[in-house]
Amino acid sequence: GAVVSQHPSRVICKSGTSVKIECRSLDFQATTMFWYRQFPKQSLMLMATSNEGSKATYEQGVEKDKFLINHASLTLSTLTVTSAHPEDSSFYICSAAGARFIYGYTFGSGTRLTVV
Amino acid sequence: GQQLNQSPQSMFIQEGEDVSMNCTSSSIFNTWLWYKQDPGEGPVLLIALYKAGELTSNGRLTAQFGITRKDSFLNISASIPSDVGIYFCAGPPNFGNEKLTFGTGTRLTIIP
Repeated sequence: GAVVSQHPSRVICKSGTSVKIECRSLDFQATTMFWYRQFPKQSLMLMATSNEGSKATYEQGVEKDKFLINHASLTLSTLTVTSAHPEDSSFYICSAAGARFIYGYTFGSGTRLTVV
Repeated sequence: GQQLNQSPQSMFIQEGEDVSMNCTSSSIFNTWLWYKQDPGEGPVLLIALYKAGELTSNGRLTAQFGITRKDSFLNISASIPSDVGIYFCAGPPNFGNEKLTFGTGTRLTIIP
């Protein structure tokens, strides 16, 4: 089945630094990747949608300059949290979909970001 | 925007009991997806529904696509400890729209 690998699983960084999270589709070409944010005991909130080779589309209220998304290939998307602050601490999850969305969306295992 | 409300918000059951949860929408959905999320992990797809009235099973799990297309149900029979987790319904709100809207989640706890 479709597998999405997300790294790192946990990261602790100092306030003001940047953190990069990688999301890779291992056995299929992900034409579209999605980035979600999840706060404790809450649902997943979509941050942005990225298509390979084009700029990401951000959801309302998500700062483009803070959450940089790159989808340079059909198997890799990255989310960079720039100038991180404690309020950016959260669980970030990516998901990837191939050309046929009807087969569902495969999610990565998530990244727990803690900004101290 | 689209909202998916799940009920109940949490459930505390004993092992072996059956579980029922539902998901309702303020608008029509063309696809319903049910996911399970374990602590510290990403969601895993359990069942996908594509037609109104469709009833689909995956082992002890059964899900139905409501006739009105505004709701869906998930049942788990004979619960076991590994069923513990958060269950989310989700769907792309418009045909051809690839973005998923997630429900509010149902947290399942099994009492020993």
